[in-house]
Amino acid sequence: EDQVTQSPEALRLQEGESSSLNCSYTVSGLRGLFWYRQDPGKGPEFLFTLYSAGEEKEKERLKATLTKKESFLHITAPKPEDSATYLCAVQASGTNAGKSTFGDGTTLTVKP
Amino acid sequence: DAGVTQSPTHLIKTRGQQVTLRCSPKSGHDTVSWYQQALGQGPQFIFQYYEEEERQRGNFPDRFSGHQFPNYSSELNVNALLLGDSALYLCASSFSAVQETQYFGPGTRLLVL
Repeated sequence: EDQVTQSPEALRLQEGESSSLNCSYTVSGLRGLFWYRQDPGKGPEFLFTLYSAGEEKEKERLKATLTKKESFLHITAPKPEDSATYLCAVQASGTNAGKSTFGDGTTLTVKP
Repeated sequence: DAGVTQSPTHLIKTRGQQVTLRCSPKSGHDTVSWYQQALGQGPQFIFQYYEEEERQRGNFPDRFSGHQFPNYSSELNVNALLLGDSALYLCASSFSAVQETQYFGPGTRLLVL
């Protein structure tokens, strides 16, 4: 069974204090790994898709990386508006293609 | 370009009742997936519809059923509601032929009393 574990559960940073969020996964053949941002009471907002180990993608202050067992979301010089819950998900290939498995997220709070 | 839309935004039901939630996918998308998100947890996959058929299903009982229409919009039906069905119900759409990335709607908040 596919599994996704995110750590830490919660992270409090000062504005400008860089850090990383971790997503560990087990999946029977990775079709894609996804990062989403979710604000309270709203639907997840797509950030990145990673397909293979060694791949990296960047968007503003966010950079996502992928290895064979985990993914990291690096946040450089965060601002208060980066405060949100960040979700990681995987999709397997083969018979389970299309079925996404999510972690429980990391809630990031950035203080000014 | 309209994104994924869902209706209603909020809903209150009592135990034993039935509910229908609706979703319109992002323009150009033909695949719709439904998720249940309890407070403080990640979304849990319910099922996925493509070409008006259920293509994948998660670990949810038969009380949860769905439908996809020829215009790719979709409905989620839940029968015999339980208190534990209270959650945010999310719809996500994708273009299955070329991409796996799903785009989510704002969700429907269901409260079962």
